[in-house]
Amino acid sequence: DTEVTQTPKHLVMGMTNKKSLKCEQHMGHRAMYWYKQKAKKPPELMFVYSYEKLSINESVPSRFSPECPNSSLLNLHLHALQPEDSALYLCASRPRANSNQPQHFGDGTRLSIL
Amino acid sequence: EDQVTQSPEALRLQEGESSSLNCSYTVSGLRGLFWYRQDPGKGPEFLFTLYSAGEEKEKERLKATLTKKESFLHITAPKPEDSATYLCAVLYGGATNKLIFGTGTLLAVQP
Repeated sequence: DTEVTQTPKHLVMGMTNKKSLKCEQHMGHRAMYWYKQKAKKPPELMFVYSYEKLSINESVPSRFSPECPNSSLLNLHLHALQPEDSALYLCASRPRANSNQPQHFGDGTRLSIL
Repeated sequence: EDQVTQSPEALRLQEGESSSLNCSYTVSGLRGLFWYRQDPGKGPEFLFTLYSAGEEKEKERLKATLTKKESFLHITAPKPEDSATYLCAVLYGGATNKLIFGTGTLLAVQP
């Protein structure tokens, strides 16, 4: 069982819908990450939060809006997505953004855009 | 250019047939190399961290080693449950602290 919990596990939405993905960790980690992973490809970094502040946005389209309400929670708000946004969305955390320790991943949300 | 390359892309083994996966990297200022296992539809599961050349880590049938240019994941007498994609990721750089993933090796172990 992973210590990073993501909900929902699966999400199907239309291009005009608004939905949110949620990620939670209780390891006391202060760095949290969103990744996008397409089939047979490695994870691609989208956003990094450090101490609840957005520190890296890898030029992600504005239809993806991250939020970090507190040190344990990370959300990804979705609006007006495109079919090419269908992918596995992974959340990860580690103690601090500048540490040498590994990131720990959740099991992801499988997102399908109709 | 900073790069991480894994080989082979796919590997099929018979149960009990030992082999090695390779992760080669060209980055400035290695801070750590991580091995993950990923099952279909799941997130990457952390296996090992290696920090300096000569370091080795072991867990059950897996052993990870590190040199100045590459890392190997040795699988001894694999079982079908070892079938998965194995990803390596390299942490490098100073203040920027970047992480690059390799493209993974898809391992299939047949009974």
